[in-house]
Amino acid sequence: DAGVIQSPRHEVTEMGQEVTLRCKPISGHDYLFWYRQTMMRGLELLIYFNNNVPIDDSGMPEDRFSAKMPNASFSTLKIQPSEPRDSAVYFCASSLGLAGAMFFGPGTRLTVL
Amino acid sequence: KQEVTQIPAALSVPEGENLVLNCSFTDSAIYNLQWFRQDPGKGLTSLLLIQSSQREQTSGRLNASLDKSSGRSTLYIAASQPGDSATYLCASGAGSYQLTFGKGTKLSVIP
Repeated sequence: DAGVIQSPRHEVTEMGQEVTLRCKPISGHDYLFWYRQTMMRGLELLIYFNNNVPIDDSGMPEDRFSAKMPNASFSTLKIQPSEPRDSAVYFCASSLGLAGAMFFGPGTRLTVL
Repeated sequence: KQEVTQIPAALSVPEGENLVLNCSFTDSAIYNLQWFRQDPGKGLTSLLLIQSSQREQTSGRLNASLDKSSGRSTLYIAASQPGDSATYLCASGAGSYQLTFGKGTKLSVIP
């Protein structure tokens, strides 16, 4: 398996633009997580899915953020409109079972100007 | 809400030394604890996973222990090498699920 795949790896956009981040989890994993990492706050859980269903989105900072998982092999995290304070590295991770080992993707480095 | 603390924030050791990284957590009702490694500009790599029923896990030169009653985990690295230089993060899952991460310990192994 190629591991968790994320795209794009880098995204530079202007304030107010829509940003869509993509993730392909490891085949067979039933949990998918979106995290955000900044120097100030470290790693923060934004939302997680179980069998494509959102379970907990309490970490999503604002209504500007939304996430979907239309099938077991694809998820998106959308920010609209984007703001400079959204600049961070966004990671997608997946696991088999809630207590299983978690595997992270390489991340998307987002810069909002 | 689970809080995870890692001390020290940074550690520098000479090559060949054995070392211990510390992780503490506030909610002892965890279902697992994981140790990760993160290289600069990279994602996280899972190193060791300890389930709540276990006391330790070993992989090569790495050994992680878990003491739920005291809210502590340690990562022991034997015979450190320059290639071990990275940031090490611990994370615990507890409650309704919040895999909470510590801020990490940045390890530098000096040749």
